[in-house]
Amino acid sequence: SQTIHQWPATLVQPVGSPLSLECTVEGTSNPNLYWYRQAAGRGLQLLFYSIGIGQISSEVPQNLSASRPQDRQFILSSKKLLLSDSGFYLCAWTLPGSTDTQYFGPGTRLTVL
Amino acid sequence: GQQLNQSPQSMFIQEGEDVSMNCTSSSIFNTWLWYKQEPGEGPVLLIALYKAGELTSNGRLTAQFGITRKDSFLNISASIPSDVGIYFCAGNYGGSQGNLIFGKGTKLSVKP
Repeated sequence: SQTIHQWPATLVQPVGSPLSLECTVEGTSNPNLYWYRQAAGRGLQLLFYSIGIGQISSEVPQNLSASRPQDRQFILSSKKLLLSDSGFYLCAWTLPGSTDTQYFGPGTRLTVL
Repeated sequence: GQQLNQSPQSMFIQEGEDVSMNCTSSSIFNTWLWYKQEPGEGPVLLIALYKAGELTSNGRLTAQFGITRKDSFLNISASIPSDVGIYFCAGNYGGSQGNLIFGKGTKLSVKP
């Protein structure tokens, strides 16, 4: 069976510091991968998605970036965090070639102070 | 852009009551999904619907893919305290690779 991991689970960072959040999927090959941000426990905002290694599509212009260095690894990064970057970050995956049923990771709670 | 209207925004019910929530769209969707999210956790898939008119159950949960392909509902029968959480609908309209659109959620509170 497939599992998805995210770390860290929680993170408190000062404004202007860098960010790196990691997502990995086990039990499948070449999944589609997604990064979402959720503010105040509601409303999922799609940030990035990837259909393969090195392929990243951005949905919302911002100071965040994503990378996919390995087939089942998805990284969310920032060079300098803003207060507005605080939120709950969720990674999700779907089967290769599918955009339908997305399965979510446990999330990372980011607080920027 | 594509939007889903999910209602109600919140519900406060007594344990044992039935619950109904729905989502509507101005566009035709190919897939409807229903998720539940508990505080501090990622959304968990409850039911996936792939055909217009499809009615699918998962325990006390029942969801239907509207015949017009522009709406879906989720019913919860005989609610229990552990049903508390935020329920999200999501739809796929067949556009780009990242084309799952989410509703804003229905927050369910159950009073024992």
